[in-house]
Amino acid sequence: EAGVAQSPRYKIIEKRQSVAFWCNPISGHATLYWYQQILGQGPKLLIQFQNNGVVDDSQLPKDRFSAERLKGVDSTLKIQPAKLEDSAVYLCASSPYGGDTGELFFGEGSRLTVL
Amino acid sequence: KNEVEQSPQNLTAQEGEFITINCSYSVGISALHWLQQHPGGGIVSLFMLSSGKKKHGRLIATINIQEKHSSLHITASHPRDSAVYICAVSRNQFYFGTGTSLTVIP
Repeated sequence: EAGVAQSPRYKIIEKRQSVAFWCNPISGHATLYWYQQILGQGPKLLIQFQNNGVVDDSQLPKDRFSAERLKGVDSTLKIQPAKLEDSAVYLCASSPYGGDTGELFFGEGSRLTVL
Repeated sequence: KNEVEQSPQNLTAQEGEFITINCSYSVGISALHWLQQHPGGGIVSLFMLSSGKKKHGRLIATINIQEKHSSLHITASHPRDSAVYICAVSRNQFYFGTGTSLTVIP
């Protein structure tokens, strides 16, 4: 069974530029999460999708971050314009069910450096 | 205050030592998860448990629901166990601890 796929693995951009990350969850997983992990900290939830609907985006900085999962399968996370403090690893995870009942499967992460 | 607290933050051990990482949480949960993150790598789920004890190879995870506490034990530690171990709890969403950085020295 293929795992959670993410790309790119690494991205370096200058502040005020834009960047997009892609995630393909495990086939059949209804729930998809985007997390931001700053060095030395635990993952912070940015957005949770259930199929193609948003369940929780309360911590997503909506003035610069956007995410979509149009067909309920793969997802993109965009940052525009990027700030220095956006330097982090962006983790995508999927679960067969919602947060209460399912094991969480993570991708390798996309490491963003903003200069 | 974080919903999930881990201790210690950093841990250095000699190869072969028995290691314990602790996790306390403050919310009602559906399950507790132990995760492993290698440098530069993604996160791998080690255990998901809601009661009692689970064992996988040299790893043992226990949970005490009444005390809202869990421990991850590593027996006969090895340098390849060096990683960050993250405790997370799930209740509608996931709450993560900040991780315990383990270094096992040969």
